[in-house]
Parts: sequence; C-alpha cells; structure tokens
Amino acid sequence: KNQVEQSPQSLIILEGKNCTLQCNYTVSPFSNLRWYKQDTGRGPVSLTIMTFSENTKSNGRYTATLDADTKQSSLHITASQLSDSASYICVVSAGDRGSTLGRLYFGRGTQLTVWP
Amino acid sequence: NAGVTQTPKFQVLKTGQSMTLQCAQDMNHEYMSWYRQDPGMGLRLIHYSVGAGITDQGEVPNGYNVSRSTTEDFPLRLLSAAPSQTSVYFCASSYSRQARNTEAFFGQGTRLTVV
Repeated sequence: KNQVEQSPQSLIILEGKNCTLQCNYTVSPFSNLRWYKQDTGRGPVSLTIMTFSENTKSNGRYTATLDADTKQSSLHITASQLSDSASYICVVSAGDRGSTLGRLYFGRGTQLTVWP
Repeated sequence: NAGVTQTPKFQVLKTGQSMTLQCAQDMNHEYMSWYRQDPGMGLRLIHYSVGAGITDQGEVPNGYNVSRSTTEDFPLRLLSAAPSQTSVYFCASSYSRQARNTEAFFGQGTRLTVV
C-alpha cells in the first residue's frame, strides 16, 4: 500500500533554533518527493521537489534530503523564524504508467510552532 | 497571474442541499484536481482531470461530481450534502500530470460545513 508517514506529528522550537522533520514513504514506483508548507487557513505552497537522482535540495533556509534506497526524506530548517510556524507536508508522486501516474500521496504533516 | 482561485472561501449548507465549489486557473495547466483535507489526515484526492473534457475518480469520489468544459475551470459539485462532507476542499493544478518535476499549485481552500 502506498503510504507517506511523517514524524514528529508536532514540534515546538524557539526562534533561531534549527529543526529537522522526517518523512518515510512506501510509494512505488517513485517519481518525485515534494515538501509543502501550509500556513493556517491557506493552501499548501511548494518548498522543494526532488527526483530519485537528487540527494539534497535547498530553498533558502529550507534544505531537503532524499535517500531513495531507504525511502526516507528529511526537511531541515535553519535559524527558524516565527513565520516558519506552519504545517509541513511531505508528498510523494507515483511514477507508474496508467491511472497512478502523477498521483500524489500526502503525509499528514508536521505541525511546527516557533516560539519567540 | 492569479494562480488557482477558489470560491467561496467559506460555506455552510444544510443536509441535502447541493452546491458547486468553483475552481479556476490562469496558467494554462493541463492537470487539475480536487482534494479534501480533514483533521489528522493527509489530503485525499476526490476527482481529477487531465484536460478539457476528461475527468476521472480519485480516492474518495462518492457524493461529488466534476466536469471540465474548459482548460481554466474545474468545478466540484456536491449533489446532496451530508455532514460527512464537512471538510476543507482544495483545488490544485499543474502543467502536466506526467512531467517529472511538475509543480502543483493549490488554491486557498473552501471551508465547508454541513449541518
């Protein structure tokens, strides 16, 4: 069964600190892995997209890593800011032909709260 | 560019009522989809379309209809609202379903409550 699991479910950190969010997936065949940021009451916004050949990708203070062999990804946030408070969603895209091509599988998200 | 626009942002329905959630994109995207987001769960695919005139069911299609008469618009119809359809609905679009790195753009969401 194609699944995406994220940990932790929620996280509280102090402003200026770093944190790492985890994502494990069983989606197969794999096409790409995305991290989205979803602010409260808003739609998800893409942070990074990685294919199986990419081990790491950065977007400002956000750095995503991917290990396609172990089917794990992480999102590292450096020097956190209050505006980083949001839900971070790991999404895996299926790569098969036919009806599952491009299908997105969503994790439940990690709710990050940054305190001043 | 407005991106993906959803209307309304909030809606309260009585059980048994019908309504249409609107979704429009101005990026000439081929692929459009509807998701629902419930507390403690990941987004679940309701219906999707790979182009004008083509629609298909997703993971949780029951109680919903869609149509794609133009590239820009992809409305979602609730036929007879039920309390189980209380949720936040997101419309998304992307250039192509098949392109490996195609990015999905999401609307702001419609918060629907069925009483």
